Amino acid sequence: ETGVTQSPTHLIKTRGQQVTLRCSSQSGHNTVSWYQQALGQGPQFIFQYYREEENGRGNFPPRFSGLQFPNYSSELNVNALELDDSALYLCASSLDRTLYEQYFGPGTRLTVT
Amino acid sequence: AQSVTQLDSQVPVFEEAPVELRCNYSSSVSVYLFWYVQYPNQGLQLLLKYLSGSTLVKGINGFEAEFNKSQTSFHLRKPSVHISDTAEYFCAVILRFGNEKLTFGTGTRLTIIP
Repeated sequence: ETGVTQSPTHLIKTRGQQVTLRCSSQSGHNTVSWYQQALGQGPQFIFQYYREEENGRGNFPPRFSGLQFPNYSSELNVNALELDDSALYLCASSLDRTLYEQYFGPGTRLTVT
Repeated sequence: AQSVTQLDSQVPVFEEAPVELRCNYSSSVSVYLFWYVQYPNQGLQLLLKYLSGSTLVKGINGFEAEFNKSQTSFHLRKPSVHISDTAEYFCAVILRFGNEKLTFGTGTRLTIIP
């Protein structure tokens, strides 16, 4: 059984560019949640995907979007990058939207210059 | 909406001493409570969770937490810390019914002094 994996590990982008982050869920899990963790802060919920549909969203603008694929892997896309988007992006997988049994990946560190 | 407060941003503790990391939450309805640990340059690992039943919850690595409904607290404790416990600790809450959002506190950095 493989755990949650994320790619890339680190990424540097310029303000205004677009970025795609990837997450592979734990085997058997059909729900993926994405979080943004700014330096010195706790993770903030971005959105959740369940069976390829968005199932809840936090207070993030529409330029943050996502996808979930039939194999339940997921992408987080951010358009028109801003300096404040610099953060650690975490994904977590679970079964049937059960957030009390989530497993987190190691995260992608995004730096916007 | 629910919220979580971790009053101590940093806690230094001598090795083998006991530690308590404080967490208070705010919610008008029943909640589930969690403690996560984040080691440097890593993701989050679940230490323990309270869903129902006994208010004293035991987790991994010798940690335990006590749910106190009247004080809306869920403090994390360990009787004797080790160097390897140096990490960031996050308290989190989710509503028992509805609301798919897991809300985290701002974290407490635990530093173990040899």
